[in-house]
Amino acid sequence: AQTVTQSQPEMSVQEAETVTLSCTYDTSESDYYLFWYKQPPSRQMILVIRQEAYKQQNATENRFSVNFQKAAKSFSLKISDSQLGDAAMYFCAGSGAGSYQLTFGKGTKLSVIP
Amino acid sequence: GAGVSQTPSNKVTEKGKYVELRCDPISGHTALYWYRQSLGQGPEFLIYFQGTGAADDSGLPNDRFFAVRPEGSVSTLKIQRTERGDSAVYLCASSLNLGDTQYFGPGTRLTVL
Repeated sequence: AQTVTQSQPEMSVQEAETVTLSCTYDTSESDYYLFWYKQPPSRQMILVIRQEAYKQQNATENRFSVNFQKAAKSFSLKISDSQLGDAAMYFCAGSGAGSYQLTFGKGTKLSVIP
Repeated sequence: GAGVSQTPSNKVTEKGKYVELRCDPISGHTALYWYRQSLGQGPEFLIYFQGTGAADDSGLPNDRFFAVRPEGSVSTLKIQRTERGDSAVYLCASSLNLGDTQYFGPGTRLTVL
């Protein structure tokens, strides 16, 4: 079983600046995956980044990177050079290697200020 | 190529009625997942399929909810005797195989009056 906690209901960032969204998790599994999904008002969940727990190197995708601290069970998302199109709900999620359902946090609403 | 599609986009029904929500996964994806997202919450898992069989239905809240995927492609989520508490966005996702990245559809917003 997994639990995912996002403690920041809302965040804002100035356009072109950097923002970090926090996520902590708990799991009884030794092998698992962590994700950040973006949900704009259109409702469609879009994968931002994926991290395999066995990999020590932090995942990066263009302006998006994660800080994965396995011992602390922390998985934060850093967005660099924020753009207006980054404004959305961001959900942290996890799944066990043998259980394919995603467990989501409650989300963080990100606003980008022009 | 086409992504995951869901129909209808919105569904309004009356308490006690029966509804069906449809999901068309990405072509070639063998795994299909259903989630429910209540207002202000993250999605919650309902059920997933590998091929035609329900591999895990532990998230279905009660026996009013049922899902099928008879030919291993399109899936239908069926809700009997709807209640106001069933109002939510129902999201469908598919992945190439179980354990691969899940790609989501736009969801169906169900409103039970």
